[in-house]
Amino acid sequence: AQKVTQAQTEISVVEKEDVTLDCVYETRDTTYYLFWYKQPPSGELVFLIRRNSFDEQNEISGRYSWNFQKSTSSFNFTITASQVVDSAVYFCALSSAGGTSYGKLTFGQGTILTVHP
Amino acid sequence: DVKVTQSSRYLVKRTGEKVFLECVQDMDHENMFWYRQDPGLGLRLIYFSYDVKMKEKGDIPEGYSVSREKKERFSLILESASTNQTSMYLCASSPPLVVGELFFGEGSRLTVL
Repeated sequence: AQKVTQAQTEISVVEKEDVTLDCVYETRDTTYYLFWYKQPPSGELVFLIRRNSFDEQNEISGRYSWNFQKSTSSFNFTITASQVVDSAVYFCALSSAGGTSYGKLTFGQGTILTVHP
Repeated sequence: DVKVTQSSRYLVKRTGEKVFLECVQDMDHENMFWYRQDPGLGLRLIYFSYDVKMKEKGDIPEGYSVSREKKERFSLILESASTNQTSMYLCASSPPLVVGELFFGEGSRLTVL
């Protein structure tokens, strides 16, 4: 069975601080996808990134960066110079790349990030 | 602007009532999903559908059923609501062959008294 663990339930930072959200996953699949989603106070989850298990390159998009380490089964998300608008619940998720679980996401518990001005 | 619309943001029902949660997407997506979100548990998949009239159980289907008569509409049905079904329900859709890029609605918060 697949499992995603986000051990940090809540994180509170002051604006301009860097913050890292941890994500650890379990899967028996050799090919899979990892994701991050953001849920702002409005409630609508927004897709941020998808990473294929074959691609361990880190990715940077503006103030966001993602560190995928297959050896430790982790897919961590860092926000640099955080802003108040980054306040949200962030979810890490996992999907098989084939078979009957294709396209079905297993989500972590979520991390509530609060950025104070 | 692409959109997934859930019919009700807030509902209050009584135990034993039949509850319908409607979801409509305007992106012509084949795949549609129903999740429930609970604090500390994240999102859990109830049912999903890969095509009209097709449905498959997710991880927690007990107490729920679904209907997909048209491509754009995916309904979640609680045949006899119970208090442990008080939750936030999220509908999502995705195009075929694009794994995991789900478009979500704003959610329906259901309270069962």
